[in-house]
Amino acid sequence: DQQVKQNSPSLSVQEGRISILNCDYTNSMFDYFLWYKKYPAEGPTFLISISSIKDKNEDGRFTVFLNKSAKHLSLHIVPSQPGDSAVYFCAASAGGGSNYKLTFGKGTLLTVNP
Amino acid sequence: NAGVTQTPKFQVLKTGQSMTLQCAQDMNHEYMSWYRQDPGMGLRLIHYSVGAGITDQGEVPNGYNVSRSTTEDFPLRLLSAAPSQTSVYFCASKIHPANTYGYTFGSGTRLTVV
Repeated sequence: DQQVKQNSPSLSVQEGRISILNCDYTNSMFDYFLWYKKYPAEGPTFLISISSIKDKNEDGRFTVFLNKSAKHLSLHIVPSQPGDSAVYFCAASAGGGSNYKLTFGKGTLLTVNP
Repeated sequence: NAGVTQTPKFQVLKTGQSMTLQCAQDMNHEYMSWYRQDPGMGLRLIHYSVGAGITDQGEVPNGYNVSRSTTEDFPLRLLSAAPSQTSVYFCASKIHPANTYGYTFGSGTRLTVV
């Protein structure tokens, strides 16, 4: 039973355009959500997070949107750059934000073409 | 350099052998975790620790032991390696209780069990 789902295994966009990566979750107890970026042969790198009390969080080119009623979140990257090409993992945690047990999605491979 | 250090980077084991994957962090982080990443499966939590002397099981703990005698170190022990434990293993740490930040991951240990 997959509690965090990233239904698009891959996404390809042109440099300068918007990249939208999607994530759905099924566990209503999840109250904190994170996005990680992973390059080959490296560990995941924390990108951005959002608490369930918010519906949007922004950090530079990266914005995460949370729709609690739909149990859906998305990561927007604007403008996309070739260096953004990586696997992006959505992760979620429950328990009041202590945030030490993460459930990950399977990841989406983003390719940004020059 | 500050961060999470994992050793070894690569390891080949024969079925039935035991070994310890090392993980050390120098950031005085309280929370530490071990994840495994399998193709098409995302990252799955094996064991975690919320402080020295305190450990607990994650989603896939069978076949693995952990201990946390110091804040800095969190070794993962494979008791009797099986081919199903072929995976990439990531150790991660985070400060408590900074909920706005995600885990810092090590660069991983690629384990093959033959």
